[in-house]
Amino acid sequence: GAGVSQSPSNKVTEKGKDVELRCDPISGHTALYWYRQSLGQGLEFLIYFQGNSAPDKSGLPSDRFSAERTGGSVSTLTIQRTQQEDSAVYLCASSFARGQETQYFGPGTRLLVL
Amino acid sequence: RKEVEQDPGPFNVPEGATVAFNCTYSNSASQSFFWYRQDCRKEPKLLMSVYSSGNEDGRFTAQLNRASQYISLLIRDSKLSDSATYLCVVIANNQGGKLIFGQGTELSVKP
Repeated sequence: GAGVSQSPSNKVTEKGKDVELRCDPISGHTALYWYRQSLGQGLEFLIYFQGNSAPDKSGLPSDRFSAERTGGSVSTLTIQRTQQEDSAVYLCASSFARGQETQYFGPGTRLLVL
Repeated sequence: RKEVEQDPGPFNVPEGATVAFNCTYSNSASQSFFWYRQDCRKEPKLLMSVYSSGNEDGRFTAQLNRASQYISLLIRDSKLSDSATYLCVVIANNQGGKLIFGQGTELSVKP
């Protein structure tokens, strides 16, 4: 079966523009996570969704970042007024349930803010 | 102090060598432990879970010491294809299911 997919695979944008990153989780997975991997920072948690529960947004670095998950499946991460420090690889992962289940990662979106 | 700490390496070893990676975590509420592998410019992939009793998968052995909050990964008879970054990962009971990553240890296996 298909794994986690993300689009676009690469995105170059100008400082100040908004970007939207998309994640399609594995079918049937109820938990969806966004992480960011940047040079010198390693992988850091951003936000996660579990079914119809309120998302855990505790990892979002600023109010320029937001995410939604429609219909319990596809998720979109939006970064408004991008800054150069937003340049990173944005990774999405999904699992059957929140908690101890194995998370499967998508290939990521490489974002470069000029 | 980072929640999960690893020696960043790089570890440069010859084929056939045995190499050990260490990891410490600071949150005593941590309940689940994993080693992920990440190849250059690729996403992380689960290598193995780590259980209190220790577990082995072929050439890979993982150990957990809850009292010392310490996790290890041993790779025996290393192969060229083992070259990658190895990420120590923890889930804490009081933090939902989010993964907390160490900064990763880079391994380079040379012929």
